[in-house]
Amino acid sequence: EVQLVESGGGLVKPGGSLRLSCAASGFTFSTYNMNWVRQAPGKGLEWVSSISGSTDYIYHADSVKGRFTISRDNAKSSLYLQMNSLRAEDTAVYYCARGEMATIGPFHYWGQGTLVTVSS
Amino acid sequence: SYELTQPPSVSVSPGQTARITCSGDALPKQYANWYHQKPGQAPALVIYRDSERPSGIPERFSGSSSGTTVTLTISGVQAEDEAEYYCQSADSSGIYVVFGGGTKLTVL
Repeated sequence: EVQLVESGGGLVKPGGSLRLSCAASGFTFSTYNMNWVRQAPGKGLEWVSSISGSTDYIYHADSVKGRFTISRDNAKSSLYLQMNSLRAEDTAVYYCARGEMATIGPFHYWGQGTLVTVSS
Repeated sequence: SYELTQPPSVSVSPGQTARITCSGDALPKQYANWYHQKPGQAPALVIYRDSERPSGIPERFSGSSSGTTVTLTISGVQAEDEAEYYCQSADSSGIYVVFGGGTKLTVL
């Protein structure tokens, strides 16, 4: 059974940093593209970042480019999102989502999300 | 930046057919996927590559594509189908993922 479990969310002040983690199990992690998608309170879904299985390809949304960095550790079956220079508008539930082996999407599996709150 | 446009809301009575559209200039070149999300839950994939149905998704869910518009059709809507529905695709480069704004399906 595929499982994705996010952690690392919490309350952080504007300008601060946070590192999210996603522990994956139930599939060969290194062969799949992985993604972060966020959802601000009461709002829709927003794609954040994607990374290929071999880390050959890394993409970030313009809204987080230069501030957020996606990475992965295939030996630990883990996905990460390093978030720096956080802003109030980054407040959201952050979901880890599995793509496919050859393409970024569709997102067949999602974690339950971790809440990030940016507030002073 | 590239956008996908969905109607904010669709309402149908139980047993009727619900159609939710999603429009975008790159849709003739890029596949679309559909997700539903119930309050307090993570999104779940219901249709991928325009018209494919993941295992476990009821046959009443179907998808179609025509030009710059893709459509999610739910035949014989049930009360449990009430949820927010999002289309998702990519821009013309295929690199940047985009979600539609979401459509709230209300079962009357």
